[in-house]
Amino acid sequence: QVQVVQSGAEVKKPGASVKVSCKTSGYNFPDYGISWVRQAPGQGLEWMGWISAYYGDTHYAQKLQGRVTLTTDTSTSTAYMELRSLRSDDTAVYYCVREGGDSTSYYFLYWGQGSLVTVSS
Amino acid sequence: DIQMTQSPSSLSASVGDRVSITCRASQSISRSLNWYQQTPGKAPRLLIFAASTLQSGVPSRFSGSGSGTDFTLTISSLQPEDFATYYCQQSYSTSKTFGQGTKVEIK
Repeated sequence: QVQVVQSGAEVKKPGASVKVSCKTSGYNFPDYGISWVRQAPGQGLEWMGWISAYYGDTHYAQKLQGRVTLTTDTSTSTAYMELRSLRSDDTAVYYCVREGGDSTSYYFLYWGQGSLVTVSS
Repeated sequence: DIQMTQSPSSLSASVGDRVSITCRASQSISRSLNWYQQTPGKAPRLLIFAASTLQSGVPSRFSGSGSGTDFTLTISSLQPEDFATYYCQQSYSTSKTFGQGTKVEIK
């Protein structure tokens, strides 16, 4: 079965960077893209970006352009999200999500358990 | 970016009620619309994709409809486990935006 397991909670100071990992198993890693979605406390879901696990192409949310980088390591079936220049409003649960679907329809099918990132001085 | 607007933001309903949530896109997204359910402390769960296709394992009381800019999620008979927050999400563009969510609470 497909599994998506993320790294643990982090506490960072403003201005620092954080890198969250997302280890997948149970499917052929290059076959599906990975998106990252975050959720600030008590708020809704915010799509951050997407990476093709096959080609490595990326698309980022406009508001995070320049601060976020998505990467993958196909040898370990792991995806990574790095966010730089952290601010207090980056405090959120960060989810890694494996896509489902095909060229006619994409959706977020397998979600990681979430990684809480707290930004505080 | 395509903006997704859900209504209402919250609603109160009783077990057994029929509930509908609407989602409007700022431009046509064909049928590239997905619905998710989230309970507190948990990751979201896919309910419906491509506007009306029920994800495997999701109860048949959930249904989706719509195309273009206007979409609806309907729960035909609300069950205790359905009290949660529901999100729509468009997959038409490369920036896959979510609606702001609709919280379904117990009346």
